[in-house]
Amino acid sequence: GQSLEQPSEVTAVEGAIVQINCTYQTSGFYGLSWYQQHDGGAPTFLSYNALDGLEETGRFSSFLSRSDSYGYLLLQELQMKDSASYFCALGITGGGNKLTFGTGTQLKVEL
Amino acid sequence: SAVISQKPSRDICQRGTSLTIQCQVDSQVTMMFWYRQQPGQSLTLIATANQGSEATYESGFVIDKFPISRPNLTFSTLTVSNMSPEDSSIYLCSVAAGTRVYEQYFGPGTRLTVT
Repeated sequence: GQSLEQPSEVTAVEGAIVQINCTYQTSGFYGLSWYQQHDGGAPTFLSYNALDGLEETGRFSSFLSRSDSYGYLLLQELQMKDSASYFCALGITGGGNKLTFGTGTQLKVEL
Repeated sequence: SAVISQKPSRDICQRGTSLTIQCQVDSQVTMMFWYRQQPGQSLTLIATANQGSEATYESGFVIDKFPISRPNLTFSTLTVSNMSPEDSSIYLCSVAAGTRVYEQYFGPGTRLTVT
């Protein structure tokens, strides 16, 4: 099976940079995705890493290291609207093409 | 991206009854997924519903409890059968962006409370 661990909660101030980590254990995967979910809302896709290294999408960047079984989401120039839950998710092909989601990190952005 | 709607948005049901949740997509998609999410918790995949084939259920979920229909490329239903309070949760449908399962678009969810 797979497991993905994230810190349960991270707090940062507006304008700062924050990193949300994701460590995983899996027998095989093809990539790591990140999703954002505001309270009462639906998850929305943020970023995807198929290869090791950094992917940048505006204020958001995501990183993957297969050798370390580790990835992170980096949020720059934090805004209050970034307060939400963030989930990493592994793309799994064994047993069907699907996503397995991490435990989730609640980000609180303060003034 | 796809626009997805779900009905009902919320419901309160008595134990022992069944509820069918509808998921409508504004475009034709091959791969659809049903998830369950407890408030404040992660998403757990219930099943994958691809048009033209039987739904594939994850460990811990069975067809008798969660029957799924996928009659066409824009619609799916999930039924929660013989409900108990443990079934109280948010149920979400999602679709993959083409064959990119890593990029999914989610419906707004159905909040189910079983009393």
